Amino acid sequence: QKEVEQNSGPLSVPEGAIASLNCTYSDRGSQSFFWYRQYSGKSPELIMSIYSNGDKEDGRFTAQLNKASQYVSLLIRDSQPSDSATYLCAGPRESNTGKLIFGQGTTLQVKP
Amino acid sequence: KAGVTQTPRYLIKTRGQQVTLSCSPISGHRSVSWYQQTPGQGLQFLFEYFSETQRNKGNFPGRFSGRQFSNSRSEMNVSTLELGDSALYLCASSSSGLSYNEQFFGPGTRLTVL
Repeated sequence: QKEVEQNSGPLSVPEGAIASLNCTYSDRGSQSFFWYRQYSGKSPELIMSIYSNGDKEDGRFTAQLNKASQYVSLLIRDSQPSDSATYLCAGPRESNTGKLIFGQGTTLQVKP
Repeated sequence: KAGVTQTPRYLIKTRGQQVTLSCSPISGHRSVSWYQQTPGQGLQFLFEYFSETQRNKGNFPGRFSGRQFSNSRSEMNVSTLELGDSALYLCASSSSGLSYNEQFFGPGTRLTVL
C-alpha cells in the first residue's frame, strides 16, 4: 500500500516566521509531489508541485524533495495569518492514472 | 480560463435515496478524478475517468459509480444512500492524468444524508 504521511499538527508559528511542513512517502519510485492548501470549508488549492530532487521556489513558498530519504517539505517564509489553513501533501501518483494519494494534512496556525 | 465547476454545491438527502453529482473540468482537460473528503478519513480517491473510460477505482462499494461524457464532463452517482456517505465530494481535472500533470479541484458538493 502506497502511503503518504504527515503530522496532523497543529503547527503554530508567529507572524513573520518560517513555517516548515513535512511529508514522508513509502514508494521509492515516486516521481511527482504536490502541495495543496485547504481553508476550512473550501476545496484544496494547488500551491506547489515538485518533480526532481532539490528545491523549487515560488514567492514565499519553497518545496523541497529528497528522494533518497523519501520526504517532501514545504517552507513558508514570512508567514501571514492568511496562511492559516490545512496543507495537504499528495503523491505518489500511480503511473498513467489520475490517482492522487493524500496525506492527512497538517493544520498551520499563524498567530499575529 | 474557467476553473472546475461542480453542481449542485449542497445536497440534503435521506437514507435509501440516490444522488447524482456533476463535474465540468477545465476546458481541454480530459482526466476527471473524484474524491470523498470526511473529517475522519481525509481525502479518499473514488475513481478516475479519461476519455470516457474509467481508468482507476478506489476502495468504495459498488453503490458509488460514475461516468464521463464525450465533452469530458463527468457525473458521479451514489445509490441507496447511507448516513456515512455524508461528505464533501470533490472532483479534480488534469490535462491527461499522467503522473506529472497537476490536478485542479472544483469547489465540491457537500452531501448531507439524514
